[in-house]
Amino acid sequence: AQSVSQHNHHVILSEAASLELGCNYSYGGTVNLFWYVQYPGQHLQLLLKYFSGAPLVKAIKRYEAEFIKSKFSFNLRKPSVQWSDTAEYFCAVGDSWGKLQFGAGTQVVVTP
Amino acid sequence: GAVVSQHPSWVICKSGTSVKIECRSLDFQATTMFWYRQFPKQSLMLMATSNEGSKATYEQGVEKDKFLINHASLTLSTLTVTSAHPEDSSFYICSARDPRGANTGELFFGEGSRLTVL
Repeated sequence: AQSVSQHNHHVILSEAASLELGCNYSYGGTVNLFWYVQYPGQHLQLLLKYFSGAPLVKAIKRYEAEFIKSKFSFNLRKPSVQWSDTAEYFCAVGDSWGKLQFGAGTQVVVTP
Repeated sequence: GAVVSQHPSWVICKSGTSVKIECRSLDFQATTMFWYRQFPKQSLMLMATSNEGSKATYEQGVEKDKFLINHASLTLSTLTVTSAHPEDSSFYICSARDPRGANTGELFFGEGSRLTVL
């Protein structure tokens, strides 16, 4: 069975600090990896995804995530956060059928 | 991106009654939709996969007679919580995959429906 583990439940940062959110997964087959973000009062939305190819995935607003197969990890990073990055971040693993297994989520609060 | 809409966004009901939640894909056709529930401070848990024109596939531990899913058209799936009890109070979220072009593989989520059972 798939499982997803996010290392931190809550993270508080000051603006301009760097962000790294850990995500580890366990799954026996080919996985698709995702980071979703939920800003306050908004829908869950896709931040970035990895299906295959280069292990470093870059997204808008300077987010990036690196797939390290040997570590079963897909950590999310951002070099410098802004107040508007305050949100809940979910790592997810998807199988070939499209079902997603979500991590518990990390609440990120960026203080001015 | 594609739009998925849920209705109602918020519902309160008495214990023992049934509640229906709708999930619509507004600008694309979805043969498959997914229903999740989220308890406070917890992750989203997949409840079932809704398949247009056929029976839903439920995850282990989810009571199919309690959570009735109907996917009667390519743009609408409904979740009915039957004989609701306070422990069914939760945040229910649906998602659908847009099969078109670059969006393949990406799930689009509805805004969620918060159910409170008194």
